Parts: sequence; structure tokens; C-alpha cells
Amino acid sequence: QKEVEQDPGPLSVPEGAIVSLNCTYSNSAFQYFMWYRQYSRKGPELLMYTYSSGNKEDGRFTAQVDKSSKYISLFIRDSQPSDSATYLCAMTPLTNDYKLSFGAGTTVTVRA
Amino acid sequence: EAQVTQNPRYLITVTGKKLTVTCSQNMNHEYMSWYRQDPGLGLRQIYYSMNVEVTDKGDVPEGYKVSRKEKRNFPLILESPSPNQTSLYFCASSLFGQQETQYFGPGTRLLVL
Repeated sequence: QKEVEQDPGPLSVPEGAIVSLNCTYSNSAFQYFMWYRQYSRKGPELLMYTYSSGNKEDGRFTAQVDKSSKYISLFIRDSQPSDSATYLCAMTPLTNDYKLSFGAGTTVTVRA
Repeated sequence: EAQVTQNPRYLITVTGKKLTVTCSQNMNHEYMSWYRQDPGLGLRQIYYSMNVEVTDKGDVPEGYKVSRKEKRNFPLILESPSPNQTSLYFCASSLFGQQETQYFGPGTRLLVL
């Protein structure tokens, strides 16, 4: 079983819809939870990160972490065609090995 | 501009022919790392370095070597490439203790025939 599970999709939504992405994990030591966006033929870029449980909002993006359920989510409000990309979740414990564990990524297409 | 650069961006080679993929960052980051990305498997860490002359294995180090002689550079070496090393490779860097905010390079697509 993978340490981080993420539905690969693909997910196709109309412009303006809410996009809901999620990951589950098995390692209870994870403390930092990140979402990366990866456009085709580009490297991942950090969208936002959350420490421990709770919500974090940044513009149209909201990240949620539920450590009791080992479940994290990313919501994109008022989605735009420019949001079409692969979204990767990642997580890491508070240890010194600097290891990030990634989900497989969900490919999202926002239709104009 | 703050960035991580990788070269080459695309490479086709044959089994057993040694190759090096270079990675350089201009942000004075202590931490650097190499990942490979394969369909359905996501990003997997190959090696990482916490500072000059300090390197350690990630999840999939077999068949790879690294060195960190300068802070800005972290080359990935495939001494005898095999077809199962065909993949998309990413270099990343961050400040010490801030692994949650890694910056990624543009990627190197490698095909081993």
C-alpha cells in the first residue's frame, strides 16, 4: 500500500465550478501538508502548505487537513481554464531527513 | 530571477553509457534533492543533500550517484543507465529546515534505449 493515495482522475469541470481534490495517507507522523501544481512539461510549483490540522485559504484556493481521518483536501473556487494542470499532494513529518512523500497527482481540466 | 536549472532538458541514450544531469540553484539553498516522476507513481526521491559534502539516499537510490561539491550544484550521475531508468527527473532545493517549500527545476526527460 502506498504511503499517500491520490485519485489520478482525470477530472473535467466547466469554468466557474468548484474543483475538489483529496489525498489520504497512512503515516500518522506527517505534520506538513503541501499542494503542488504542475503544468504540462513544467516542474511542480508550490501552491500552499498547511501545518497540522485545520484550514488555510489563499485567494480561490482552500486547503483542509483532517489528521484524525488522515485526509487532506484542496478546493479551487471559481475555476478558470488556467487552473488546468496536475495537482500533487505532498506531506512530510517533522524530522531531519527532509523526505517528502508525494501522491500520484490528479489531472484537472477546466473547460471554457 | 530565483530559479533551479537543469541540463539537459531532454536526453536519449543507450544502455550502459554513463551520463550526468546537472542541477544548479541561485537561491543559496542548503538543501537539494533529486526526484523521478513516473506515471501512476508520483514523485519519488532518489537522493538528497543537506549541505556541501552531505548526501543521503532517498527512496529509490539504486543505479544513481550524486555529489555536492559546491552549494549551488547537485549533479545526478547514472554510471550505467538501464531502460528502467527512463523517466522524468526533477531537481529541487529549499532553505535548511524548510522542506515544505521546495522549489523545483523544469525537469529532464530521459529515454534509455
